[in-house]
Amino acid sequence: KQEVTQIPAALSVPEGENLVLNCSFTDSAIYNLQWFRQDPGKGLTSLLLIQSSQREQTSGRLNASLDKSSGRSTLYIAASQPGDSATYLCAVTTGDSSYKLIFGSGTRLLVRP
Amino acid sequence: SQTIHQWPATLVQPVGSPLSLECTVEGTSNPNLYWYRQAAGRGLQLLFYSVGIGQISSEVPQNLSASRPQDRQFILSSKKLLLSDSGFYLCALLQGARGYTFGSGTRLTVV
Repeated sequence: KQEVTQIPAALSVPEGENLVLNCSFTDSAIYNLQWFRQDPGKGLTSLLLIQSSQREQTSGRLNASLDKSSGRSTLYIAASQPGDSATYLCAVTTGDSSYKLIFGSGTRLLVRP
Repeated sequence: SQTIHQWPATLVQPVGSPLSLECTVEGTSNPNLYWYRQAAGRGLQLLFYSVGIGQISSEVPQNLSASRPQDRQFILSSKKLLLSDSGFYLCALLQGARGYTFGSGTRLTVV
Protein backbone atom coordinates (compact mmCIF):
# COMPACT_ATOMS: atom_id res chain seq x y z
CA LYS A 1 0.00 0.00 0.00
CA GLN A 2 1.42 3.36 -1.04
CA GLU A 3 2.22 5.76 1.80
CA VAL A 4 3.39 9.33 1.43
CA THR A 5 5.26 11.18 4.17
CA GLN A 6 6.12 14.87 4.31
CA ILE A 7 8.66 16.52 6.57
CA PRO A 8 8.72 18.87 8.28
CA ALA A 9 5.10 19.11 9.37
CA ALA A 10 5.51 22.83 9.95
CA LEU A 11 8.10 25.40 9.03
CA SER A 12 8.53 29.07 9.93
CA VAL A 13 11.12 31.14 8.07
CA PRO A 14 11.93 34.83 7.63
CA GLU A 15 11.11 36.46 4.32
CA GLY A 16 13.76 36.02 1.64
CA GLU A 17 15.02 32.65 2.80
CA ASN A 18 15.36 29.71 0.42
CA LEU A 19 13.71 26.55 1.71
CA VAL A 20 13.22 22.88 0.93
CA LEU A 21 10.19 20.74 1.62
CA ASN A 22 10.60 16.98 1.60
CA CYS A 23 8.32 14.18 0.46
CA SER A 24 8.90 10.44 0.48
CA PHE A 25 6.80 7.55 -0.82
CA THR A 26 7.02 3.82 -0.22
CA ASP A 27 6.16 2.36 -3.64
CA SER A 28 8.25 3.55 -6.58
CA ALA A 29 5.67 2.34 -9.14
CA ILE A 30 4.09 5.76 -9.58
CA TYR A 31 2.55 7.41 -12.62
CA ASN A 32 3.54 10.91 -11.58
CA LEU A 33 4.02 13.17 -8.55
CA GLN A 34 2.24 16.44 -7.99
CA TRP A 35 2.81 19.29 -5.54
CA PHE A 36 -0.19 21.32 -4.42
CA ARG A 37 -0.73 24.42 -2.36
CA GLN A 38 -3.71 24.82 -0.02
CA ASP A 39 -4.62 28.12 1.62
CA PRO A 40 -6.70 27.99 4.81
CA GLY A 41 -10.29 27.02 4.07
CA LYS A 42 -9.64 26.76 0.36
CA GLY A 43 -9.25 24.09 -2.28
CA LEU A 44 -6.05 22.77 -3.83
CA THR A 45 -3.96 24.60 -6.38
CA SER A 46 -1.57 22.55 -8.47
CA LEU A 47 1.98 23.89 -8.40
CA LEU A 48 4.12 21.37 -10.24
CA LEU A 49 3.66 17.99 -11.87
CA ILE A 50 6.56 15.62 -12.45
CA GLN A 51 6.04 12.60 -14.68
CA SER A 52 7.63 9.36 -13.50
CA SER A 53 10.21 9.60 -16.29
CA GLN A 54 11.26 13.14 -15.36
CA ARG A 55 13.76 14.33 -12.77
CA GLU A 56 12.56 17.86 -12.12
CA GLN A 57 10.15 20.65 -13.02
CA THR A 58 10.44 24.38 -12.52
CA SER A 59 7.90 27.17 -12.33
CA GLY A 60 9.08 30.62 -11.35
CA ARG A 61 10.61 30.45 -7.87
CA LEU A 62 9.57 26.82 -7.45
CA ASN A 63 11.59 23.77 -8.38
CA ALA A 64 10.53 20.20 -7.72
CA SER A 65 12.75 17.17 -8.07
CA LEU A 66 11.92 13.49 -8.23
CA ASP A 67 14.09 10.48 -7.45
CA LYS A 68 11.73 7.63 -8.14
CA SER A 69 14.16 4.86 -7.28
CA SER A 70 14.69 6.18 -3.77
CA GLY A 71 11.07 7.29 -3.34
CA ARG A 72 11.84 10.95 -2.73
CA SER A 73 10.81 14.36 -3.97
CA THR A 74 11.74 17.84 -2.86
CA LEU A 75 10.09 21.19 -3.42
CA TYR A 76 12.51 24.09 -3.42
CA ILE A 77 11.16 27.60 -2.89
CA ALA A 78 13.56 30.42 -3.65
CA ALA A 79 13.45 33.84 -2.03
CA SER A 80 10.37 33.09 0.04
CA GLN A 81 7.66 35.73 0.47
CA PRO A 82 4.85 36.14 3.02
CA GLY A 83 2.40 35.25 0.23
CA ASP A 84 3.97 31.80 0.08
CA SER A 85 2.48 31.02 3.49
CA ALA A 86 0.18 28.02 3.02
CA THR A 87 0.11 24.26 3.40
CA TYR A 88 2.06 22.39 0.75
CA LEU A 89 0.89 18.91 -0.18
CA CYS A 90 2.79 16.23 -2.01
CA ALA A 91 0.81 13.52 -3.79
CA VAL A 92 1.67 10.53 -5.97
CA THR A 93 -0.53 8.97 -8.60
CA THR A 94 -0.54 5.20 -8.35
CA GLY A 95 0.79 3.26 -11.31
CA ASP A 96 -2.23 0.98 -11.63
CA SER A 97 -5.35 1.57 -13.75
CA SER A 98 -7.14 3.46 -10.99
CA TYR A 99 -4.62 6.34 -11.07
CA LYS A 100 -5.50 7.17 -7.48
CA LEU A 101 -3.83 10.20 -5.91
CA ILE A 102 -2.31 9.46 -2.53
CA PHE A 103 -1.49 12.48 -0.37
CA GLY A 104 1.03 13.23 2.29
CA SER A 105 -0.13 15.07 5.40
CA GLY A 106 1.41 18.34 4.25
CA THR A 107 3.90 20.92 5.39
CA ARG A 108 2.45 24.08 6.91
CA LEU A 109 4.68 26.99 5.89
CA LEU A 110 4.76 30.42 7.50
CA VAL A 111 6.95 33.10 5.95
CA ARG A 112 7.44 35.96 8.39
CA PRO A 113 7.76 39.52 7.05
CA SER B 1 -10.00 23.58 -21.38
CA GLN B 2 -11.28 21.25 -18.70
CA THR B 3 -13.12 22.75 -15.74
CA ILE B 4 -14.69 21.23 -12.67
CA HIS B 5 -17.66 22.60 -10.74
CA GLN B 6 -18.77 21.77 -7.23
CA TRP B 7 -21.72 22.98 -5.21
CA PRO B 8 -22.74 24.07 -2.73
CA ALA B 9 -19.68 25.79 -1.28
CA THR B 10 -20.88 25.42 2.30
CA LEU B 11 -23.55 23.29 3.88
CA VAL B 12 -24.84 22.90 7.44
CA GLN B 13 -26.98 19.84 7.95
CA PRO B 14 -28.51 18.20 11.03
CA VAL B 15 -27.56 14.71 12.09
CA GLY B 16 -29.75 12.13 10.38
CA SER B 17 -30.54 14.28 7.35
CA PRO B 18 -29.72 13.20 3.77
CA LEU B 19 -26.88 14.60 1.70
CA SER B 20 -26.26 15.15 -1.98
CA LEU B 21 -23.15 16.86 -3.29
CA GLU B 22 -22.74 17.31 -7.00
CA CYS B 23 -19.64 17.58 -9.15
CA THR B 24 -19.75 18.29 -12.88
CA VAL B 25 -16.96 18.67 -15.40
CA GLU B 26 -16.69 20.43 -18.73
CA GLY B 27 -14.34 20.18 -21.66
CA THR B 28 -13.65 16.46 -21.52
CA SER B 29 -15.34 13.13 -22.01
CA ASN B 30 -15.06 9.87 -20.06
CA PRO B 31 -12.84 11.36 -17.35
CA ASN B 32 -11.64 9.61 -14.20
CA LEU B 33 -13.41 11.34 -11.29
CA TYR B 34 -12.62 11.22 -7.58
CA TRP B 35 -14.18 12.27 -4.26
CA TYR B 36 -11.83 13.22 -1.42
CA ARG B 37 -12.57 14.33 2.13
CA GLN B 38 -10.41 16.42 4.42
CA ALA B 39 -11.49 16.23 8.05
CA ALA B 40 -10.50 19.07 10.36
CA GLY B 41 -6.76 19.00 10.98
CA ARG B 42 -6.28 15.85 8.93
CA GLY B 43 -5.04 14.85 5.51
CA LEU B 44 -6.92 14.17 2.32
CA GLN B 45 -8.64 10.81 2.19
CA LEU B 46 -9.86 9.22 -1.03
CA LEU B 47 -13.49 8.17 -0.67
CA PHE B 48 -14.63 7.04 -4.13
CA TYR B 49 -13.44 7.03 -7.69
CA SER B 50 -15.08 6.35 -11.02
CA VAL B 51 -13.53 5.45 -14.36
CA GLY B 52 -16.84 5.59 -16.27
CA ILE B 53 -20.63 5.87 -16.14
CA GLY B 54 -22.07 3.62 -13.46
CA GLN B 55 -18.62 2.47 -12.33
CA ILE B 56 -17.90 3.30 -8.69
CA SER B 57 -15.06 2.07 -6.51
CA SER B 58 -15.18 2.65 -2.77
CA GLU B 59 -12.00 3.15 -0.82
CA VAL B 60 -13.34 3.48 2.70
CA PRO B 61 -16.47 1.69 3.96
CA GLN B 62 -18.63 4.29 5.64
CA ASN B 63 -21.88 6.18 5.70
CA LEU B 64 -21.50 7.60 2.21
CA SER B 65 -22.17 6.44 -1.33
CA ALA B 66 -21.37 7.76 -4.78
CA SER B 67 -22.99 7.58 -8.18
CA ARG B 68 -22.12 8.55 -11.72
CA PRO B 69 -25.36 8.88 -13.64
CA GLN B 70 -23.79 10.75 -16.55
CA ASP B 71 -20.33 10.86 -18.07
CA ARG B 72 -19.49 14.25 -16.59
CA GLN B 73 -21.47 14.09 -13.34
CA PHE B 74 -20.34 12.59 -10.05
CA ILE B 75 -22.56 12.65 -6.97
CA LEU B 76 -21.75 11.99 -3.33
CA SER B 77 -24.68 11.01 -1.14
CA SER B 78 -25.74 9.90 2.29
CA LYS B 79 -29.11 8.72 3.55
CA LYS B 80 -28.44 9.76 7.15
CA LEU B 81 -25.56 12.04 8.09
CA LEU B 82 -23.38 11.46 11.15
CA LEU B 83 -21.37 14.04 13.07
CA SER B 84 -18.24 12.31 11.79
CA ASP B 85 -19.22 13.13 8.20
CA SER B 86 -18.27 16.78 8.75
CA GLY B 87 -15.37 17.91 6.62
CA PHE B 88 -14.20 19.50 3.41
CA TYR B 89 -15.27 17.48 0.36
CA LEU B 90 -13.33 17.84 -2.85
CA CYS B 91 -14.07 16.49 -6.29
CA ALA B 92 -11.13 15.87 -8.60
CA LEU B 93 -10.59 15.25 -12.27
CA LEU B 94 -7.65 13.39 -13.71
CA GLN B 95 -6.40 15.19 -16.80
CA GLY B 96 -4.15 12.42 -18.04
CA ALA B 97 -0.53 13.45 -18.23
CA ARG B 98 -1.43 16.91 -16.91
CA GLY B 99 -2.29 15.50 -13.52
CA TYR B 100 -5.18 16.27 -11.25
CA THR B 101 -7.43 19.31 -11.04
CA PHE B 102 -9.60 19.89 -7.99
CA GLY B 103 -12.92 21.63 -7.56
CA SER B 104 -13.33 24.45 -5.06
CA GLY B 105 -14.83 22.09 -2.48
CA THR B 106 -17.85 21.87 -0.20
CA ARG B 107 -17.46 22.51 3.50
CA LEU B 108 -19.98 20.31 5.29
CA THR B 109 -20.83 20.81 8.95
CA VAL B 110 -23.11 18.27 10.55
CA VAL B 111 -24.80 19.61 13.68
